[in-house]
Amino acid sequence: GENVEQHPSTLSVQEGDSAVIKCTYSDSASNYFPWYKQELGKRPQLIIDIRSNVGEKKDQRIAVTLNKTAKHFSLHITETQPEDSAVYFCAANSDYKLSFGAGTTVTVRA
Amino acid sequence: SAVISQKPSRDICQRGTSLTIQCQVDSQVTMMFWYRQQPGQSLTLIATANQGSEATYESGFVIDKFPISRPNLTFSTLTVSNMSPEDSSIYLCSVGHRQNEKLFFGSGTQLSVL
Repeated sequence: GENVEQHPSTLSVQEGDSAVIKCTYSDSASNYFPWYKQELGKRPQLIIDIRSNVGEKKDQRIAVTLNKTAKHFSLHITETQPEDSAVYFCAANSDYKLSFGAGTTVTVRA
Repeated sequence: SAVISQKPSRDICQRGTSLTIQCQVDSQVTMMFWYRQQPGQSLTLIATANQGSEATYESGFVIDKFPISRPNLTFSTLTVSNMSPEDSSIYLCSVGHRQNEKLFFGSGTQLSVL
C-alpha cells in the first residue's frame, strides 16, 4: 500500500513569514495529492489538492508543488497569519483510498 | 461539498459494551470510508463502506470488532464492539465521489472508554 512521510512534525513561524511542509510517497501509481487543515477539536478540512498532470497549483496564500519523479510534494503558505495555526496533513491516493502523513503542527507567532 | 452529519458527537462508554456511530450525507455519494484518529495522531483508514455489500477492511481491522453497514448511498454506520480503553479515539466518516476523489469528513465522534 501507499506510505506517506511528512516533515517537519512541528513548525513555528513568525507572523508574515512563509511555512513549508514536505511529503514523500511510495506508490508511483498515486495521482492525487490533497492537503487537509485540522484545527483543534474540528474535522479535517480540504484546503488544496493537486493531480499528477500538473506541477504546481496556487490558491491565494497557499500553493502546492509536485515532483512526480522524486515522489514528493510540498505545501507552501505565504504571509502566515495566526489563523493558519493548525495541524496540516498531506495525503496520497491509492486505489481510491487516501493514505495520510503523520501531520505537521504549525504555530504562527504574533 | 456535501453536508455530512455524524452522531453521536461524543460518548463515554464502559469497557465490554458496543457503540454504533451513524453517518448521514445530504446527497448520494459513491465512496464512504471510516477513519480513526487516535489522540495527537494521524488518520488511519479502518474500512471502505460498500453499498449493499460487506465492507472492505484495512490491515489490522476486522469485521467482528468494527462491523459496518451501508444500506444506501447516503448512510452508513460503524459499530465499535466489545470496547476497551484502547478504542478511545475519534472516529470519522468521510465521503467522496469516485470520479474526482475529493474526500470530505464528518464532524467526528469522540469516544472515551472507561
